Amino acid sequence: DVKVTQSSRYLVKRTGEKVFLECVQDMDHENMFWYRQDPGLGLRLIYFSYDVKMKEKGDIPEGYSVSREKKERFSLILESASTNQTSMYLCASSSSSGLAGGPLFFGEGSRLTVL
Amino acid sequence: AQSVSQHNHHVILSEAASLELGCNYSYGGTVNLFWYVQYPGQHLQLLLKYFSGDPLVKGIKGFEAEFIKSKFSFNLRKPSVQWSDTAEYFCAGPSQDNQGGKLIFGQGTELSVKP
Repeated sequence: DVKVTQSSRYLVKRTGEKVFLECVQDMDHENMFWYRQDPGLGLRLIYFSYDVKMKEKGDIPEGYSVSREKKERFSLILESASTNQTSMYLCASSSSSGLAGGPLFFGEGSRLTVL
Repeated sequence: AQSVSQHNHHVILSEAASLELGCNYSYGGTVNLFWYVQYPGQHLQLLLKYFSGDPLVKGIKGFEAEFIKSKFSFNLRKPSVQWSDTAEYFCAGPSQDNQGGKLIFGQGTELSVKP
């Protein structure tokens, strides 16, 4: 089975703090993604990466950055956390590219609360 | 811009009732479509997928979905729901640029099944 592991299930941070969310996948997938999940809004794509050291903005990249130094690891960084970044963050990976799209395999999520 | 929309935000059913959750996508090109399920406290799991061929696809746990190209729809169905089907359901499809295999998701439908 594909395993996508997110480093923290629950985090509580203060406004202005720097936050790192780590994600590791064990299936040698090329593509990795960070989504945030909010009630009534579904999943919204923050950033994605289709290769090591490559990154692309998703639909809501403001206030976030990412790092992909190794194929299996994709990190989401909040440089200065704000209360409107309180959310569930989901990491996903896939081996598809080009015209196909998906399927994605998801981690268990990291619930971030910013006070 | 392309989008995936789900018709119902919250559906409440009694056990043994039939289920149909609506999903429409706006992208008219080659599409792969997915339904994901998120049980309470668990990560998103793939329920079923449509890539090509038979428009009626079967997934896990008795779920099926039908791709109707003329209606841009991919509705999820189950003839008889169980209490254990209580979960949130997400429809997903490829972004129009299909870069990096990314998917866009609908807003989600929360299904509550009463025993």
